[in-house]
Amino acid sequence: QVQLVQSGAEVKKPGASVKVSCKVSGYTLTELSMHWVRQAPGKGLEWMGGFDPEDGETIYAQKFQGRATMTEDTSTDTAYMELSSLRSEDTAVYYCATPHQLELLGINYAMDVWGQGTTVTVSS
Amino acid sequence: QSVLTQPPSVSGAPGQRVTISCTGSSSNMGAGDDVHWYQQLPGTAPRLLIYANSNRPSGVPDRFSGSKSGTSASLAITGLQAEDEADYYCQSYDSSLSGPVAFGGGTKLTVL
Repeated sequence: QVQLVQSGAEVKKPGASVKVSCKVSGYTLTELSMHWVRQAPGKGLEWMGGFDPEDGETIYAQKFQGRATMTEDTSTDTAYMELSSLRSEDTAVYYCATPHQLELLGINYAMDVWGQGTTVTVSS
Repeated sequence: QSVLTQPPSVSGAPGQRVTISCTGSSSNMGAGDDVHWYQQLPGTAPRLLIYANSNRPSGVPDRFSGSKSGTSASLAITGLQAEDEADYYCQSYDSSLSGPVAFGGGTKLTVL
């Protein structure tokens, strides 16, 4: 059973960067494709980017290209999402999620396992 | 504005049936791409409810069902229960610049 455990809440000043981690247990990170989704307070879900297993590359939503960087440390089975040049509008809960069982069905762009979320607050 | 359009809210009494619509376009559902549905209880992470239009993951009650036709999809909940009060999101693959993962704006279900 795959579990995703994320790092704790962060408070950052505008212009700073934040790096959120997502630790995988039950499987190895190399067996999974990781995506990142965020949710601003009182708002809906917003996909930021994720790994495309067909291309073997990480794809970013146009809105986050150049500002978000998604990386992996396979030695610790931990995925990371770093967001730079933070502004108040980046205040949100950030989730890592993966199409664990779905990928076996050929569904690469939906998520059936989610982390618990990491609250990032950007405030001066 | 979301690529997929959902009503902001729906409501129903316990035991009733409610449906939540999700309208897309030729860059997602109209292109044959599947729709998936998520349930988000207050203060929790989203949970996959329906995948590939009409399939339920293990553990999801059969009170929840999904369908898709052309550029529209629907989530139906029968025998409404108080614990169903949550936000519901549709999601599809999208080939436009905003893609490839597109979410609807979400629908708040209130159990009266």
